[in-house]
Amino acid sequence: QVQLVESGGGLVKPGGSLRLSCAASGFTFSDYYMSWIRQAPGKGLEWVSYISSSGSTIYYADSVKGRFTISRDNAKNSLYLQMNSLRAEDTAVYYCARGSPDYWGQGTLVTVSS
Amino acid sequence: EVVLTQSPATLSLSPGERATLSCRASQSVSSYLAWYQQKPGQAPRLLIYDASNRATGIPARFSGSGSGTDFTLTISSLEPEDFAVYYCQQRSNWPPSITFGQGTRLEIK
Repeated sequence: QVQLVESGGGLVKPGGSLRLSCAASGFTFSDYYMSWIRQAPGKGLEWVSYISSSGSTIYYADSVKGRFTISRDNAKNSLYLQMNSLRAEDTAVYYCARGSPDYWGQGTLVTVSS
Repeated sequence: EVVLTQSPATLSLSPGERATLSCRASQSVSSYLAWYQQKPGQAPRLLIYDASNRATGIPARFSGSGSGTDFTLTISSLEPEDFAVYYCQQRSNWPPSITFGQGTRLEIK
């Protein structure tokens, strides 16, 4: 069965960095584009970034452009999100999601606070 | 950028009743519209894709309709486990992006 497992969240100070990972299994990872989507506490869903199946096409929401970097390693069935210059407003649960999306991970919480 | 507006923000109904949730797009999204259910502490679950197709394992009481700018999610007879937040979502192929509505909270009356 399809599984997406995020890791790497935690507490970080404003201006700090964090790298999220998403381990995929149960499907051919290299066949699918992937996204990161976040949800601030008590708020709705916000798309963060997209990466094509090969990794050659990447897009970001304006709110994270220039600070976040999405990448993938198809040999390791893994998706990543490098987050730099973190702000309090980046505090959220971060989900990795497959395709349209049809499957989501359980999420990892990122808290940006001094 | 397409903006999705969901209504109502909150819907209070009793088990067994019919629920009708609306999603309006600021411009046509053809049929690329999906619906998700989210319960507290859980990831969203795909219910409907391409406006009217039920995802794998989704009960028949859930149905979607619409095209262009107006879409509806209908739950024919509410079960206790259906009380949750529902989001509509559209995807843009170019440039690639995903947009969500602000959500409708379906609560027990």
